[in-house]
Amino acid sequence: DIQMTQSPSSLSASVGDRVTITCRASQSISNYLNWYQQKPGKAPKVLIYAASSFESGVPSRFSGSGSGTDFTLTISSLQPEDFASYYCQQSYSPPYTFGQGTNLEIK
Amino acid sequence: EVQLVESGGGLVKAGGSLRLSCAASGFTFSTYIMDWVRQAPGKGLEWLSSISSSSAYIYYADSVKGRFTISRDNAENSLYLHLNSLRAEDTAVYFCARGPSSGYYKIDWWGQGTLVTVSS
Repeated sequence: DIQMTQSPSSLSASVGDRVTITCRASQSISNYLNWYQQKPGKAPKVLIYAASSFESGVPSRFSGSGSGTDFTLTISSLQPEDFASYYCQQSYSPPYTFGQGTNLEIK
Repeated sequence: EVQLVESGGGLVKAGGSLRLSCAASGFTFSTYIMDWVRQAPGKGLEWLSSISSSSAYIYYADSVKGRFTISRDNAENSLYLHLNSLRAEDTAVYFCARGPSSGYYKIDWWGQGTLVTVSS
């Protein structure tokens, strides 16, 4: 099975900050990588798929990059509504494993 | 509007069984891959299982293989997850989730989840 490792596991930042979250796969997954956002008590929602493609309706301050084993999610200027948990997921082969998550908190 | 509504969660003793259901509406259910994902209290997301539109292809996470069974009824627009030999570590919110109808795999719609609590 493919293991996904996210870093950091938690992050404190301020409104307006630029933030980067990293996800590493245990083997090459090409660009088969999705990013999800989850707010407390809510279901997740997809932000980025295929490593860098925007889901419809996602603000342009979110961007994704990477291929192979190393990927990043960047939020260019944090907004209050962005404080949430973020998860990567590989879609290269089942089981479609998630990273352990990054909890983004207000500083 | 797409809706996924889970039911069937509750309190069960270790070693027991449960069947979760997911009622789908607002889209052509029979053409979509469907998944189950769970989240233990205060923990991250764990992908559990996926079933293709015709049920021809089924996949499981190692943690539930041999204990959980995914199935679907396209005539009833319903997805199921049968949970057997339950353990305390299976305590979680279980989400029904929609995969793609074709092409690239991603989960683009989620239910609100149903809580399963396994008592030891």
